[in-house]
Amino acid sequence: DAKTTQPTSMDCAEGRAANLPCNHSTISGNEYVYWYRQIHSQGPQYIIHGLKNNETNEMASLIITEDRKSSTLILPHATLRDTAVYYCIVREDNFNKFYFGSGTKLNVKP
Amino acid sequence: ETGVTQTPRHLVMGMTNKKSLKCEQHLGHNAMYWYKQSAKKPLELMFVYNFKEQTENNSVPSRFSPECPNSSHLFLHLHTLQPEDSALYLCASSQEWLAGGRRNEQFFGPGTRLTVL
Repeated sequence: DAKTTQPTSMDCAEGRAANLPCNHSTISGNEYVYWYRQIHSQGPQYIIHGLKNNETNEMASLIITEDRKSSTLILPHATLRDTAVYYCIVREDNFNKFYFGSGTKLNVKP
Repeated sequence: ETGVTQTPRHLVMGMTNKKSLKCEQHLGHNAMYWYKQSAKKPLELMFVYNFKEQTENNSVPSRFSPECPNSSHLFLHLHTLQPEDSALYLCASSQEWLAGGRRNEQFFGPGTRLTVL
């Protein structure tokens, strides 16, 4: 799996959009980008994933650059309950193994 | 509620004890996983089971012994653990295709907080 690089922590004001970046410069053509989050001491929760097109669901939007070397997870209206560690993972399509990095600690503040 | 349950939620054991962690998924998935999360460390993949067959053992010490009797249940048997094995142990499941096709996300249970004294 390609290595991902994320900022250690970010702050966001409640009600504003949270934009979480991820670099995956060595990603290969058949690797998907997945985002998970982990609220303190709970199991990770799936958010969204994509291959090369931008994706949106009820939780977030995923923007993948044209060269696929980076992506951004967007939480359109962050709430206090979105405070968590956000993990960006790239995974080869043929292998069902996720390798989590250190993630980004998002602090949503009132 | 993710459809993946784990018991017990908390466990304290001595180094000479034998205990087991249980995971059950109610999602009809065909793959199950054990992860370990130590304090301030990333999640570490320990074991992968596809269709009840172990397909991955990520250099885990033999004092951890997994068992997958069917596609809905996964156990982690523990014996002669060390204090450094204290961690949050997470179980996950997913629906995987046999060859090619779209891979689906993993659903995680709430974890078992293990303390080894």
